[in-house]
This record gives sequence, structure tokens and C-alpha cells, in this order.
Amino acid sequence: AQSVTQLDSQVPVFEEAPVELRCNYSSSVSVYLFWYVQYPNQGLQLLLKYLSGSTLVKGINGFEAEFNKSQTSFHLRKPSVHISDTAEYFCAVTQTSGSRLTFGEGTQLTVNP
Amino acid sequence: DGGITQSPKYLFRKEGQNVTLSCEQNLNHDAMYWYRQDPGQGLRLIYYSQIVNDFQKGDIAEGYSVSREKKESFPLTVTSAQKNPTAFYLCATRVGELGYTFGSGTRLTVV
Repeated sequence: AQSVTQLDSQVPVFEEAPVELRCNYSSSVSVYLFWYVQYPNQGLQLLLKYLSGSTLVKGINGFEAEFNKSQTSFHLRKPSVHISDTAEYFCAVTQTSGSRLTFGEGTQLTVNP
Repeated sequence: DGGITQSPKYLFRKEGQNVTLSCEQNLNHDAMYWYRQDPGQGLRLIYYSQIVNDFQKGDIAEGYSVSREKKESFPLTVTSAQKNPTAFYLCATRVGELGYTFGSGTRLTVV
């Protein structure tokens, strides 16, 4: 079985500041990792994913994440945030041989002017 | 456009009633999923189906039922046995390593 822990439930930042949303996972086998974004009353949109290869993954809207196998982490970063980045962000994991996607509890990112 | 359609967007149910949430996809994906979302709890898996006429329970299947008679459709019934059904319900599909695609959700409220 796998699990995901998002270390911050809320992250407030000012516009144009950098941000990091932290995600740790637990699994006894190889995994795929995902970050999703959710705007109010909407579904989830894929930001980026790690399947294999380079540990630095670039996604949409200027976000990137780094897979760190030794620390079992997959932190999401953006060097300069915008008001429009205000949303809830979910980290998720699935085993490479499996089908179930397990989510973290989410991090609410609020960008203030 | 290919995608997932969840309907209705908002649904109200009286206590003791069953209600069915619709999920239709035209992506030709084999696997389909139902998740429940509550504030501060992330998304929890209710049921999933990897192929027509087959489905498995997720982590919180009690009080829910599903069917998968067609590849395109995976309806979820919230039965009267579900003690706390008020939540946001999300349907998703998956194909291989390409990741999961989500619908726009149905918000169910018990009145």
C-alpha cells in the first residue's frame, strides 16, 4: 500500500514570491507521482507527473517538482507566483504496477497582493 | 472534444433516498474511478473499474454501489445506507501511464 503526506495544509504567500509545497510519500515499491491543482467547485487538473528519468519535472503554469527517492519526497515549486495560482494543490502517488491513485490531503495556496 | 461529463453539477437528496450520479466519458479509456472529496481530507477512493462488467471496492465503498455495463459509463449510486453522503464527488478515467483525467464533479447535499 502507498500513502501521501502533504506537510502544509495552508500556504499563504505574496504575489511574485517563490513558493514550495511539500509532499512526502510512502511505498515499498516503485511509484509514479503526480501534482494536481483544483479551483473552487471544479475537477482536478494535472500540473505535472514523474514517471521515470530526470528527477526534475517541469509542468504547466511555470510549476516544477523534484523527485527525491532517498527522502521519498516530491516537492512542488514555483519561482514567482501570481494571484491566479490561488487554488488547492494535491500530491498523488500510484504504484508502477498498480491502478489506484492515492491522494494527500491537499494544500491550499493563497496568493495575496 | 474528448472528456468526462459528470451530471448533475449540484444534487440535493432527502435523507433515506437513493440517488445516482452520472459519469460519461468519450476518451475510450478502460479504467474509471469514483472519488469522494471532503474538506481537509483529500480525495478518497470509493470504487474503480478497470474493464467493462468488472469493478472493485476502494477505501470507502460502504453505502455506495456502481455498475459498468458500458465502457463509456460508470454511474455511482449513493444509497440510504451511506450515513454522511454530503460531499463533492469526482469521477476519473485513466489510460496507461498518461495519468488520470477528472470530471468537473457533482456536489451532493442531503437536506
